[in-house]
Amino acid sequence: EADIYQTPRYLVIGTGKKITLECSQTMGHDKMYWYQQDPGMELHLIHYSYGVNSTEKGDLSSESTVSRIRTEHFPLTLESARPSHTSQYLCASRPPFGTGFNEQYFGPGTRLTVT
Amino acid sequence: GIQVEQSPPDLILQEGANSTLRCNFSDSVNNLQWFHQNPWGQLINLFYIPSGTKQNGRLSATTVATERYSLLYISSSQTTDSGVYFCAVNSGYALNFGKGTSLLVTP
Repeated sequence: EADIYQTPRYLVIGTGKKITLECSQTMGHDKMYWYQQDPGMELHLIHYSYGVNSTEKGDLSSESTVSRIRTEHFPLTLESARPSHTSQYLCASRPPFGTGFNEQYFGPGTRLTVT
Repeated sequence: GIQVEQSPPDLILQEGANSTLRCNFSDSVNNLQWFHQNPWGQLINLFYIPSGTKQNGRLSATTVATERYSLLYISSSQTTDSGVYFCAVNSGYALNFGKGTSLLVTP
């Protein structure tokens, strides 16, 4: 079973605030991902990282930014939250090698509401 | 990117019934995963199945990579099986998700 954690689980915040969504994993996985999911819709990749100091934008354009200073930590930041950012954000990771190295494991998600 | 189509989009079953969910994909893949998203939004890994057949309790999955489809079987369904089932495939750096099958199992 994967150990990947996200905080907070739920967040309601006003327009214009800066927020950081935390994601941590304790499995030593090198690859980490952020997906965005609107209610009733599929997931879309917004950021990914192949290791420390590596970050790339995903297929879905996002105003958020990410950093990867430590292997286990992959936070996502919104400098100025807007109602259009209301969504669920899911973090995932993948092991570097071994059986099933292509398999992704997901955290519990952060449900963000911007008022 | 790879297109992923899931069917049916919605399904209502009575408890105890069996069902088959389908996932078609448009190109060769090196990973295929099935997930169950519970009402709290968490994605639960069901199967990592780029090819072949696997079984886990009442659930089983088959992927025929050469024909670009995968099937998820749910037998003797229970109300706790309700939720959205996603198929996702990977041919490069990340997963491409289908739109999901929303399953409701009634008592």
